[in-house]
Amino acid sequence: DTEVTQTPKHLVMGMTNKKSLKCEQHMGHRAMYWYKQKAKKPPELMFVYSYEKLSINESVPSRFSPECPNSSLLNLHLHALQPEDSALYLCASSLGTGELFFGEGSRLTVL
Amino acid sequence: AQKVTQAQTEISVVEKEDVTLDCVYETRDTTYYLFWYKQPPSGELVFLIRRNSFDEQNEISGRYSWNFQKSTSSFNFTITASQVVDSAVYFCALSDERGGSQGNLIFGKGTKLSVKP
Repeated sequence: DTEVTQTPKHLVMGMTNKKSLKCEQHMGHRAMYWYKQKAKKPPELMFVYSYEKLSINESVPSRFSPECPNSSLLNLHLHALQPEDSALYLCASSLGTGELFFGEGSRLTVL
Repeated sequence: AQKVTQAQTEISVVEKEDVTLDCVYETRDTTYYLFWYKQPPSGELVFLIRRNSFDEQNEISGRYSWNFQKSTSSFNFTITASQVVDSAVYFCALSDERGGSQGNLIFGKGTKLSVKP
């Protein structure tokens, strides 16, 4: 079982909805990440939090809003998404050494 | 710019065959880290190995082995005596250290390995 837990596993939303993806880890890792993965493509980095502060935003549209309430939790708030935002959203955590522990992902479909 | 190239899109082998997955990278950094991750159909990416740019020793872990050659900017992965459970997409990745973290991974496009019984 993965030590990074993501909820929900599947999410279907309309373009006017507001929803959130959640990620939790209890390994004491201080770096947490959101990656986006389209079908048959590699994961692409979206955001990096280091010690609960946003350290990298890879020019992600503002309709994606990350939040790190504490060192164990990472959220991704979604609002006014487009159908092309449909993808697998992967959360990961790390001690900062590059060995990332990934969750199983949240599969998002935007109608 | 940093880049990872996995030229093999898909590979199909029969169980017990050996298979090598190729990875070529580009970076201007003198210190960098290379990784291999496995993504089974369940979707979760599983860490396999991390190698820093100063350590060119080859590594073996059970049926898995890795060959890192700076002279050719390659970090190839060999599975010996493949098994059906090895079927997955394998990603090679390169990290940069923006933000003080090595987890900012640049992934290759992945190689889908199918091992048939």
